[in-house]
Amino acid sequence: ETGVTQSPTHLIKTRGQQVTLRCSSQSGHNTVSWYQQALGQGPQFIFQYYREEENGRGNFPPRFSGLQFPNYSSELNVNALELDDSALYLCASSLGPGRETQYFGPGTRLLVL
Amino acid sequence: GQQVMQIPQYQHVQEGEDFTTYCNSSTTLSNIQWYKQRPGGHPVFLIQLVKSGEVKKQKRLTFQFGEAKKNSSLHITATQTTDVGTYFCAGNYGGSQGNLIFGKGTKLSVKP
Repeated sequence: ETGVTQSPTHLIKTRGQQVTLRCSSQSGHNTVSWYQQALGQGPQFIFQYYREEENGRGNFPPRFSGLQFPNYSSELNVNALELDDSALYLCASSLGPGRETQYFGPGTRLLVL
Repeated sequence: GQQVMQIPQYQHVQEGEDFTTYCNSSTTLSNIQWYKQRPGGHPVFLIQLVKSGEVKKQKRLTFQFGEAKKNSSLHITATQTTDVGTYFCAGNYGGSQGNLIFGKGTKLSVKP
């Protein structure tokens, strides 16, 4: 198992609400990437944080936002939840941006009703 | 845009049979990574291939990276029920982000 942890493990929200998901990176890792995995699909890149700055973003709207803290833990915030936001949200940490291997946490399963 | 295609989508095998999944990218990859995701679980890193033509083995699993660094394969010899899960390839195109572009995965089921 990796040292990446995520909370909560499961979450149920209603459409229009806001949600915050949390990720603690593996010790020594300064880069955190967030992915969304819809049922039956591969993970899709949302954005990456490196040394507390956003370091790249996938094709997700601005209501998906994030933060990285000085200890390199990270948050993913989603505003104005939509039914299609129901998915497994994964964070992955790595030693740095670029070509380093990414290690995934167990994920947060979000259900939007 | 950058896209990684993976086939087949599903594979049903009898225990003891071999299994192969293939990944293809339209543009050259910096490296490719393989992950296994058990039902209800999260992707677990298996291996990273970086060099052109690279072949790596992990017990019954053999991973290959094409000479042009555009395709890759994972071959499992003599499948076991513990091999059940979805296998994803994830391409890295380099750059400052290093974000992974995942294939849609191959879901392997093994009949005992």
